[in-house]
Amino acid sequence: KNEVEQSPQNLTAQEGEFITINCSYSVGISALHWLQQHPGGGIVSLFMLSSGKKKHGRLIATINIQEKHSSLHITASHPRDSAVYICADASGGSYIPTFGRGTSLIVHP
Amino acid sequence: GAGVSQSPSNKVTEKGKDVELRCDPISGHTALYWYRQSLGQGLEFLIYFQGNSAPDKSGLPSDRFSAERTGGSVSTLTIQRTQQEDSAVYLCASSLYTDTQYFGPGTRLTVL
Repeated sequence: KNEVEQSPQNLTAQEGEFITINCSYSVGISALHWLQQHPGGGIVSLFMLSSGKKKHGRLIATINIQEKHSSLHITASHPRDSAVYICADASGGSYIPTFGRGTSLIVHP
Repeated sequence: GAGVSQSPSNKVTEKGKDVELRCDPISGHTALYWYRQSLGQGLEFLIYFQGNSAPDKSGLPSDRFSAERTGGSVSTLTIQRTQQEDSAVYLCASSLYTDTQYFGPGTRLTVL
């Protein structure tokens, strides 16, 4: 059974700080997703990756296949980045994801 | 263009009643997923449709739950004889094959 662990569970930062959220999974992936869920519940897919690194604006996602580990980085954090960030891993040839419990990020001005 | 839509946005029902939740995926998307998010819990996979293939129902928590996808487009999730533990936000997502998933706003179900 695939297990997806995220850390930290909660994270507080000051505006402008560099933020890293970590995700570890136990089974080889088909694709790893990073999702953002804002207060109010809407979910947005940030990245889907199976190798290497992807960048979109101030967000960077990396993955290390050998270590079964992914990180989401936020550069120059802003209060509007405050949200829950969820890692999800679809493994073993399936595209059905197993979700982490999420990391709650609060960025103070 | 239009994103994924879900209806109703909120549903309050009495224990034992049946409910139907609707999802309209993005036009042309071949895959449709249903998820559930209970209060304070993570996202939980329920069912997956991909094109004309048989759906993957491995996440459905009991036989009270069923889902259909008509014409490869609109999907309905039905919960029969609702229980209080069914209270959650039910989320639908669609994608083109196995590409990025686009989520709907969810239906908040409250079973009294």
